[in-house]
Amino acid sequence: NAGVTQTPKFQVLKTGQSMTLQCAQDMNHEYMSWYRQDPGMGLRLIHYSVGAGITDQGEVPNGYNVSRSTTEDFPLRLLSAAPSQTSVYFCASSYSQGWNYEQYFGPGTRLTVT
Amino acid sequence: GDSVTQMEGPVTLSEEAFLTINCTYTATGYPSLFWYVQYPGEGLQLLLKATKADDKGSNKGFEATYRKETTSFHLEKGSVQVSDSAVYFCALKEDTGNQFYFGTGTSLTVIP
Repeated sequence: NAGVTQTPKFQVLKTGQSMTLQCAQDMNHEYMSWYRQDPGMGLRLIHYSVGAGITDQGEVPNGYNVSRSTTEDFPLRLLSAAPSQTSVYFCASSYSQGWNYEQYFGPGTRLTVT
Repeated sequence: GDSVTQMEGPVTLSEEAFLTINCTYTATGYPSLFWYVQYPGEGLQLLLKATKADDKGSNKGFEATYRKETTSFHLEKGSVQVSDSAVYFCALKEDTGNQFYFGTGTSLTVIP
């Protein structure tokens, strides 16, 4: 199993550009989520999904869109990049049934917006 | 709502020193508790977990006990190594629903 994969690993955008961060998992997990990690603020939840066709907002959803057309994939779209979106982005997945299942994380995407 | 509070860093220790990183939580039900570790340039990896009160999670010499009476899950290691240098995150998963809550992370540097 590859686990959770993310592409790209690094990206530089100009203000106003759009892009999609890709995330895929091969563990048949129902629950997937996107976090951003900023210095001194830990991990903040952007969006999450409890299954194909179902998504919801997390703590910091503004400026981001998600969709979940398959169990495996959960892309994150930046509609119009802003310097405040410079961050490291992590995708994660877990089983949604049962409270004791841990999340598995991808390696992250480091995004810089100039 | 649910939340996790962990001690702020950074923490710098000499090799073979004793490590404690404090973590307390707020939850309405009976959450599962986790410690994750992030090595430089990598994603988070599960270090250990505990799913009910008085459970002790352990891995790679690290331990943490789920204390419901004090709502705590402190991470300990008796003798740290340089290779333990990383950022450590405490997290909880609520017993209803799917959402995880993470602390802000504690950076540990171990010097030879």
